[in-house]
Order: sequence, then C-alpha cells, then structure tokens
Amino acid sequence: EPEVTQTPSHQVTQMGQEVILRCVPISNHLYFYWYRQILGQKVEFLVSFYNNEISEKSEIFDDQFSVERPDGSNFTLKIRSTKLEDSAMYFCANSRDYTDTQYFGPGTRLTVL
Amino acid sequence: AQSVTQPDIHITVSEGASLELRCNYSYGATPYLFWYVQSPGQGLQLLLKYFSGDTLVQGIKGFEAEFKRSQSSFNLRKPSVHWSDAAEYFCAVGATLFVNNDMRFGAGTRLTVKP
Repeated sequence: EPEVTQTPSHQVTQMGQEVILRCVPISNHLYFYWYRQILGQKVEFLVSFYNNEISEKSEIFDDQFSVERPDGSNFTLKIRSTKLEDSAMYFCANSRDYTDTQYFGPGTRLTVL
Repeated sequence: AQSVTQPDIHITVSEGASLELRCNYSYGATPYLFWYVQSPGQGLQLLLKYFSGDTLVQGIKGFEAEFKRSQSSFNLRKPSVHWSDAAEYFCAVGATLFVNNDMRFGAGTRLTVKP
C-alpha cells in the first residue's frame, strides 16, 4: 500500500519558536492535506494544497501557519510562533486527486513548552 | 457544512464477539463516508469508504459498513472481534465532487477488547 512519511516523529519546542513539520508524499499523489489532533480530541482539518496553492483552509489555519512544497517533493507545515495550544499530533495526508482516498502519514507529535 | 457524530466514546467487547460502531452524519448532498482506525502511536489507516453504489461496503481486516441514507448513518461492523482490533475508530465525511475537499471527522470511538 502507498505510504506517506513524516518527520520528525516528535518535536519539542519552546513557546514562540518556529517549527517546520515535514511530509514526504506518495509519488504522483498531488493533493496534500494537514490535519491536527489535540490529545483526546477529534482530528481537525487544517488545510488542503494543490498545484502550489492552498485550496482550502479551516479557521484554525491562521496567519501563524503556512504550507509549501519547497523542493517540489516534500510538503511542509510551518508554525511561525508556536503557542502552548499548538501542542498536538499533526497528520499529513495525500491523495491522487481530490475525490480519491487520502493516505495519512504516522503523524508528528508537537509539544510546545 | 458537513459533520459527523459518533455517539459512543468507548466500547468494550469480548474477543470473538460481534461489534458495531455507530456513526451519524449531517450533509446536504451525497456524502463521501469513511472509517479510519488509529492504533496507539500510529497514523490513520483507511478501513473502508463509501461513495456510491452498493450500500454495504466491505473493507480490510474483516470490517464492513452499511450506508443508510434514511437514517443518515454509516455504522461499522465486524462479526468476530480480535484482540488486535483494539484501537480508536474514526468515522469521517467528505464533500462531494463539486464542493470543497476537506473532511470532517467524528470524535472517535475507543474500542477495548477483553480476552
């Protein structure tokens, strides 16, 4: 089965620091997504991305967040100035097209101290 | 906007017993429905999905789900649970082809399997 990978598996940072979470998508799967899951809560959609543009974003995805494909392969989520409430599991997902199955990575656990 | 409700936060079943996890959705058009499983420390793995056609959908690991439009439900079932099925299960609804493409997840149901 196709596999999405994410690095790091766990990131610990100080409040106010910038973090970059990385995702290696499945080859030829051109639709990208980020979700987060705060401990004990439901998985929440953050953003979808296609053709080097954000397709859609939720109200969670404010100016502190940004996404890009810096080298045309990896897909990153940047949080400019982390807050305590950004502590969560962040999942990258990837699909071949926007109606196709989304394959999820194993997640990056972000801890903001 | 679409939404998903999973009424059961936690379910405990004995190994070998049957299982049904409930999912109710709210969406104005034809929904795309999914069940994902999340084992501890792991990402989400797709069990099955429904877009159209036969309302009884077969998935991996012996799971199936039935789409009932009249009840706005998409319950997940398994005839005989194995200890390895203990995990968190998420129902999700996605938009149709002509709207946006984000997904909404339910809060999850944690399954505990007793020996």
